[in-house]
Amino acid sequence: AQKVTQAQTEISVVEKEDVTLDCVYETRDTTYYLFWYKQPPSGELVFLIRRNSFDEQNEISGRYSWNFQKSTSSFNFTITASQVVDSAVYFCALSGLKTSYDKVIFGPGTSLSVIP
Amino acid sequence: DTEVTQTPKHLVMGMTNKKSLKCEQHMGHRAMYWYKQKAKKPPELMFVYSYEKLSINESVPSRFSPECPNSSLLNLHLHALQPEDSALYLCASSQVRQSSGNTIYFGEGSWLTVV
Repeated sequence: AQKVTQAQTEISVVEKEDVTLDCVYETRDTTYYLFWYKQPPSGELVFLIRRNSFDEQNEISGRYSWNFQKSTSSFNFTITASQVVDSAVYFCALSGLKTSYDKVIFGPGTSLSVIP
Repeated sequence: DTEVTQTPKHLVMGMTNKKSLKCEQHMGHRAMYWYKQKAKKPPELMFVYSYEKLSINESVPSRFSPECPNSSLLNLHLHALQPEDSALYLCASSQVRQSSGNTIYFGEGSWLTVV
């Protein structure tokens, strides 16, 4: 069975602090994709990153960075120097590759509040 | 800006009404999706269309009726809904090629309230 766990339900940080959102996944597939999405209060789910299971390189995009560790089945997301605009719910997600429209399994989400 | 557009953004309907949610994408994607999201919960898959054919129905009640008129459009027809159907309805689209994985791109959603 596939499962995504985001143990942090809510996080509050003060602006300019760094924050890491944890994601742990379970799958028996050898090939899979991991995703992070951001959902601001407006509702739209914004795609942030996709990582396939063969690529364990960490990635940095501006203030965002991702740490993929297959050995611990984790795909953590760090925001450096957080800003108020980062306040949102963040979802980690997992999909297999058996069909191109495999179900995407979403984690429960982490609600991040950045306080000015 | 999102390339998946949904209308209306907000909809209030009575339990005897018939209404529709509309979705359009211009990314050339051939898979389109409807998700339902309740407050403080992750999105839940309802339907998947691939090449304009319904490929997945997650046991959704028949009061929700999807339609895919062409590769760019996806509708969700609503009839005789219940108050518990009030939620954010998200449309999404993706490629249908295994080599590209299936990054799903979402629209802004339609906030539905059933009274």
